[in-house]
Amino acid sequence: EAGVVQSPRYKIIEKKQPVAFWCNPISGHNTLYWYRQNLGQGPELLIRYENEEAVDDSQLPKDRFSAERLKGVDSTLKIQPAELGDSAVYLCASSTRGEGTGELFFGEGSRLTVL
Amino acid sequence: AQSVTQLDSQVPVFEEAPVELRCNYSSSVSVYLFWYVQYPNQGLQLLLKYLSGSTLVKGINGFEAEFNKSQTSFHLRKPSVHISDTAEYFCAVRDDSNYQLIWGAGTKLIIKP
Repeated sequence: EAGVVQSPRYKIIEKKQPVAFWCNPISGHNTLYWYRQNLGQGPELLIRYENEEAVDDSQLPKDRFSAERLKGVDSTLKIQPAELGDSAVYLCASSTRGEGTGELFFGEGSRLTVL
Repeated sequence: AQSVTQLDSQVPVFEEAPVELRCNYSSSVSVYLFWYVQYPNQGLQLLLKYLSGSTLVKGINGFEAEFNKSQTSFHLRKPSVHISDTAEYFCAVRDDSNYQLIWGAGTKLIIKP
């Protein structure tokens, strides 16, 4: 069974440029999460989807970040314009039983460097 | 709000020696606790979890953790580490208010040959 797939693995951009990350969850997983992980810190939830609905986006910086999950399958996270402080690893995860049980399956992450 | 503290940012240990990675959480009514492992250049994967029942939880790769309610701790242990255990280990607790996972900052396990 294929795991959670993310792309690109690495991205280097200059500040004020846009960037997009893509995630394909495990087949059949209804819940999809985007996390940001700064160096030396644990993951921070940005947004959670149940199928195509964003049920928790309270920590998504909506002035520059946007996300979508069309058709309730794969998802895209966009940053426009990027700032220096956005340098981090962006993690996608999926699950079938909701975050409360802790059974999240993570992709390898997309490492963003903003110069 | 709940919180998780991993006191050690790095733990160096010799191969085949025992190891303990510490995790403390803020008290709550119900406690769901987790350890995740992140191997170099890989995603996070669930190592073990405590939801209820026996306070000693066994996970993959020979790891185990003990839930201690009085000390609000969930320390991870392995009796004999291998070079392949080199990774970063994250402790997490479920937040009762919104069912989100609250993560610790992680502990890097460094195995010395």
